[in-house]
Amino acid sequence: GQQLNQSPQSMFIQEGEDVSMNCTSSSIFNTWLWYKQDPGEGPVLLIALYKAGELTSNGRLTAQFGITRKDSFLNISASIPSDVGIYFCAGQLYDSWGKLQFGAGTQVVVTP
Amino acid sequence: KAGVTQTPRYLIKTRGQQVTLSCSPISGHRSVSWYQQTPGQGLQFLFEYFSETQRNKGNFPGRFSGRQFSNSRSEMNVSTLELGDSALYLCASAPGRSGGNTIYFGEGSWLTVV
Repeated sequence: GQQLNQSPQSMFIQEGEDVSMNCTSSSIFNTWLWYKQDPGEGPVLLIALYKAGELTSNGRLTAQFGITRKDSFLNISASIPSDVGIYFCAGQLYDSWGKLQFGAGTQVVVTP
Repeated sequence: KAGVTQTPRYLIKTRGQQVTLSCSPISGHRSVSWYQQTPGQGLQFLFEYFSETQRNKGNFPGRFSGRQFSNSRSEMNVSTLELGDSALYLCASAPGRSGGNTIYFGEGSWLTVV
């Protein structure tokens, strides 16, 4: 089951609004990853964070690796209809390589 | 650069049968992991292979197994299928190194057990 607490579970927003979601964990992670999944598809990597305190942007997306290494957040600015989907956070321990622990996901719905 | 390729994309099996799913990782990636995704349990780690050896294993019964070939391609097998095995099975590819691995997923194989 899930070991990361991801919130909110779902968000209904209007086009143009900003979106914020976060993940917390009792474990210290070496890497935080954020993915977006569309229905019927595999998760697509949005942002990867490798250092505590790191703030990284990818277009309208911004994510930060918490200073305690136990949390991360993702912001989406000026949302557009194609931002609809489920966003997952994932934490990776130092020596885990391909093993990730996932949050339960945040479902984002954007209305025009 | 080709992404992670999974086959088949969709399949339907009967209870008691077995199934084999295939994954080709990104070129140069040596770590291949498998995940099961269901509405109730979310994304759960099955196992990881590196250099043809199982490196990590999740909490799944022995009916779930995998292997990796010398070209890094991987297969997973589920024997004696149960209805609860219906899920999206995802393969993930990573370079395979300590200190930070960026992990990429394939589109998945949808398995329905009837």
